[in-house]
Amino acid sequence: KNEVEQSPQNLTAQEGEFITINCSYSVGISALHWLQQHPGGGIVSLFMLSSGKKKHGRLIATINIQEKHSSLHITASHPRDSAVYICAVTNTGNQFYFGTGTSLTVIP
Amino acid sequence: EAQVTQNPRYLITVTGKKLTVTCSQNMNHEYMSWYRQDPGLGLRQIYYSMNVEVTDKGDVPEGYKVSRKEKRNFPLILESPSPNQTSLYFCASSTAYQPQHFGDGTRLSIL
Repeated sequence: KNEVEQSPQNLTAQEGEFITINCSYSVGISALHWLQQHPGGGIVSLFMLSSGKKKHGRLIATINIQEKHSSLHITASHPRDSAVYICAVTNTGNQFYFGTGTSLTVIP
Repeated sequence: EAQVTQNPRYLITVTGKKLTVTCSQNMNHEYMSWYRQDPGLGLRQIYYSMNVEVTDKGDVPEGYKVSRKEKRNFPLILESPSPNQTSLYFCASSTAYQPQHFGDGTRLSIL
């Protein structure tokens, strides 16, 4: 059972490119989360959203509740953006389900 | 500094020897949770707690126990560890409807 699906699994981009990572989910949710995990393992929460769009610096997250779909966009990508990006959802019972992540490499 | 602290960071042990991984947060968060991360499977929730004395099973609770006697602490207990519990474990905390703060992770190897 895969409550959360991400695509692509791997992504290589040139520095400066616009990047999109997609996430689809199949359960009712109270919130959707985008996480970043750098090599070495630490996890950071980038966004938590339940509707619309959020922006933080060069990162933008959107969610379409009707279509059960979210996207994470990175504008003007930089090598320091290289990381694994993980989509997660919280269901109405406060349980978390995670996608398997998108490994992003940004080449200078 | 706001943080979630896990101990130990690394542990190699043997099958059947009880172990506890501690998790402590200094942000007065109500919600705490344990996850394991495995290659190809990603992160999966083990147990979570909405507040003191309130715990619930996540996706993969078998072989684990937790307790929440104090708001700041949420230990993960492996009563009889087995090799299939070899994994990278994360603790996280948050207030209601806010993003989670994650600990640095604990890498467990069970031989």
